[in-house]
Amino acid sequence: AQSVAQPEDQVNVAEGNPLTVKCTYSVSGNPYLFWYVQYPNRGLQFLLKYITGDNLVKGSYGFEAEFNKSQTSFHLKKPSALVSDSALYFCAAYSGAGSYQLTFGKGTKLSVIP
Amino acid sequence: DAGVIQSPRHEVTEMGQEVTLRCKPISGHDYLFWYRQTMMRGLELLIYFNNNVPIDDSGMPEDRFSAKMPNASFSTLKIQPSEPRDSAVYFCASSPLRLSSSYNEQFFGPGTRLTVL
Repeated sequence: AQSVAQPEDQVNVAEGNPLTVKCTYSVSGNPYLFWYVQYPNRGLQFLLKYITGDNLVKGSYGFEAEFNKSQTSFHLKKPSALVSDSALYFCAAYSGAGSYQLTFGKGTKLSVIP
Repeated sequence: DAGVIQSPRHEVTEMGQEVTLRCKPISGHDYLFWYRQTMMRGLELLIYFNNNVPIDDSGMPEDRFSAKMPNASFSTLKIQPSEPRDSAVYFCASSPLRLSSSYNEQFFGPGTRLTVL
């Protein structure tokens, strides 16, 4: 069975510092990986995805993610955090085995401290 | 495009009552998904449709839950009878047709916060 793990429930970072939100995955086929952000009382918003190709994926709001096949990781990064980046971040994966089920991690709460 | 539309945004009901949640997907999207979000269990996929046909309902917790998609622009999730443990935020999402060797992102609605007393 496929799974997505986000090992940190919460990440705190000072404004202006780089941030990293970690994600590891376990899928049976080729991984198709996504990051979503959820602001309070809102639905999830798509940030970026990895399908194939370059291991560094660029997305919305200055976020990027690095795909590492050997470590089965897809960490979300941003060079300089903003207070407005404070939100709940979800990593998700399709297994690529014909199923359209998107498996989500439990989420990581990011707090950017002014 | 207005995005995925869900109604109501908030629903408070009493145990035993029937609850109907509604969703309008983005026009032209072929897939529709219903999720439930709770603190304890995170985001769970309940059911998804392709071209109005239910494909996988293995996530539906029990027979009290049912979902329909009578046409491409409307879906409902019904709980009858409702129980306090059904309290959660229910999200609807839609996605365009999957291209070969690719998967498209899902677009989420704002959710319905259900409280069953």
